Amino acid sequence: DAKTTQPPSMDCAEGRAANLPCNHSTISGNEYVYWYRQIHSQGPQYIIHGLKNNETNEMASLIITEDRKSSTLILPHATLRDTAVYYCIVRIITAGNKLTFGGGTRVLVKP
Amino acid sequence: GAVVSQHPSWVICKSGTSVKIECRSLDFQATTMFWYRQFPKQSLMLMATSNEGSKATYEQGVEKDKFLINHASLTLSTLTVTSAHPEDSSFYICSARPLTELAYNEQFFGPGTRLTVL
Repeated sequence: DAKTTQPPSMDCAEGRAANLPCNHSTISGNEYVYWYRQIHSQGPQYIIHGLKNNETNEMASLIITEDRKSSTLILPHATLRDTAVYYCIVRIITAGNKLTFGGGTRVLVKP
Repeated sequence: GAVVSQHPSWVICKSGTSVKIECRSLDFQATTMFWYRQFPKQSLMLMATSNEGSKATYEQGVEKDKFLINHASLTLSTLTVTSAHPEDSSFYICSARPLTELAYNEQFFGPGTRLTVL
């Protein structure tokens, strides 16, 4: 799976949009971009994934650049409960394929 | 959504004893379950991949005789930490991959088990 690079930490204000960048310059054509988050002392939670088109669900939006070398996860209205470590993972979707977690971005939402 | 449980949620044991951690998929069947370990302020590290009815596949550097994995049914996998030592103290997390892949996700994670070895 392609390696990803994320900033180690970032702060954002409650109620504002949080934009989390991820660099995956070596991504291959059949690799998807996945985002998970892990709230302290809990298991990871799936957020969203995409291949090349922008995606939106009830939790977040995923913006993937045209060359697919980077993406941004957008939390439209951050709340204190969004404080977590956010992991960007790129992977091929095949049977039994495992997830490889990098360092992630530690997001602190401040009141 | 699909739910994965782990039991116990936390355990404290003496050095040299063995500890069993259970991972259950509550409302779906899982052909594959994964076991991760996470040390404080670090990321999740995959330990092994467990397939129902067959031997687990361990990641490089993980001792299979120390971390025994059993996946006897489509809803249950167990991880036994044998002869635990303080350096085995960690947060152990399992995930389960549904028998039928869902449209939006492929793995569901349990809440984790915190092991402290004295």
